[in-house]
Amino acid sequence: NAGVMQNPRHLVRRRGQEARLRCSPMKGHSHVYWYRQLPEEGLKFMVYLQKENIIDESGMPKERFSAEFPKEGPSILRIQQVVRGDSAAYFCASSRDRGGLSQPQHFGDGTRLSIL
Amino acid sequence: QKEVEQNSGPLSVPEGAIASLNCTYSDRGSQSFFWYRQYSGKSPELIMFIYSNGDKEDGRFTAQLNKASQYVSLLIRDSQPSDSATYLCAVDANNLFFGTGTRLTVIP
Repeated sequence: NAGVMQNPRHLVRRRGQEARLRCSPMKGHSHVYWYRQLPEEGLKFMVYLQKENIIDESGMPKERFSAEFPKEGPSILRIQQVVRGDSAAYFCASSRDRGGLSQPQHFGDGTRLSIL
Repeated sequence: QKEVEQNSGPLSVPEGAIASLNCTYSDRGSQSFFWYRQYSGKSPELIMFIYSNGDKEDGRFTAQLNKASQYVSLLIRDSQPSDSATYLCAVDANNLFFGTGTRLTVIP
């Protein structure tokens, strides 16, 4: 499967625990984006990364949330000390080099995070 | 604040008709425009992208862009029940900004 791979598909955590969401971009893609979607709402940009670099994290909450895209392995979105309001679908997307115009982003199947 | 506005719908059209989905955006500097389809509980799926003013056709889908009016639309010809989904307009202004989507129902 050459698409964007996200795991786990579903993740259940209790309040105060940590959630780690993983994303492997499409083959040939070096740009990774994370989005959050609340029920009945649109996709909200969180963070844009390239290998070993955070390019734009303007959509990330200031506390408890972090993201990385190491040289080897998938991109990780980490949420510490989760709260009920973190329950959402988290989507990862990837694209080729942006160049002058943005390249289309292709989405993974998402991780549905539920906080008990 | 960069905004992308869509009519939330629901938009209902009979099978075989043309469905017209509209989107306006606030950032005049936006260069790239995308339409995604999202079935309930699923991930967004890229349908079309357009960079230049005018029309771009791909099968039953036509994207239309008017940068002067800050307006982008998606036409779906010969609508099918399988087209029933939420359609998301996305505009690139440094990062991708999404509208809240228009829910389309195609009635058999």
